[in-house]
Amino acid sequence: NAGVTQTPKFQVLKTGQSMTLQCAQDMNHEYMSWYRQDPGMGLRLIHYSVGAGITDQGEVPNGYNVSRSTTEDFPLRLLSAAPSQTSVYFCASSLAGGGTGELFFGEGSRLTVL
Amino acid sequence: AQKVTQAQTEISVVEKEDVTLDCVYETRDTTYYLFWYKQPPSGELVFLIRRNSFDEQNEISGRYSWNFQKSTSSFNFTITASQVVDSAVYFCALSESQLGKLIFGQGTELSVKP
Repeated sequence: NAGVTQTPKFQVLKTGQSMTLQCAQDMNHEYMSWYRQDPGMGLRLIHYSVGAGITDQGEVPNGYNVSRSTTEDFPLRLLSAAPSQTSVYFCASSLAGGGTGELFFGEGSRLTVL
Repeated sequence: AQKVTQAQTEISVVEKEDVTLDCVYETRDTTYYLFWYKQPPSGELVFLIRRNSFDEQNEISGRYSWNFQKSTSSFNFTITASQVVDSAVYFCALSESQLGKLIFGQGTELSVKP
């Protein structure tokens, strides 16, 4: 059972570089989201999507772009990485509508920006 | 605005002690969902429980129990007879919709010593 799959698990970038964190789920969930986790701050929502073609900003969207071309995939793009984006990133998915909001998380991606 | 506060940053107990993790939330909605997640040292997020705002029954699952009190806006988590394997960061979270947009508390790091 794959669930939510994130790649890569680890990445080191230099300031100004770009990269994409990949996220895929095989549970046919409509809702997908990206969170970042920083010490002492819990998890904060970056962007979310309620279905293919629909995305919206969360609490900390600056510096990140997303798109949702399919139900399965929800990549997170950093166009010009900054040291402040050093964090652990989690992708999550859930059933929308008749669900209860329970999130299923990927294993996380640890990003370091030098 | 919605907010989740976990005032205990770190807790250290000796094995077999009981421990309660506090969670206080703020929301204007009458329908909402509360969650607890566990993050062991390996880093993944493990779902523990979901509670609906209209169901104030306390719940027990093995050594875990949850006390939901709408009057004090609290959703506390108790581990009875703690074990070393309970050592982890525990997050309380709130969702005001069925769309999986969770607001997380800052987390409580529990250390259970043998």
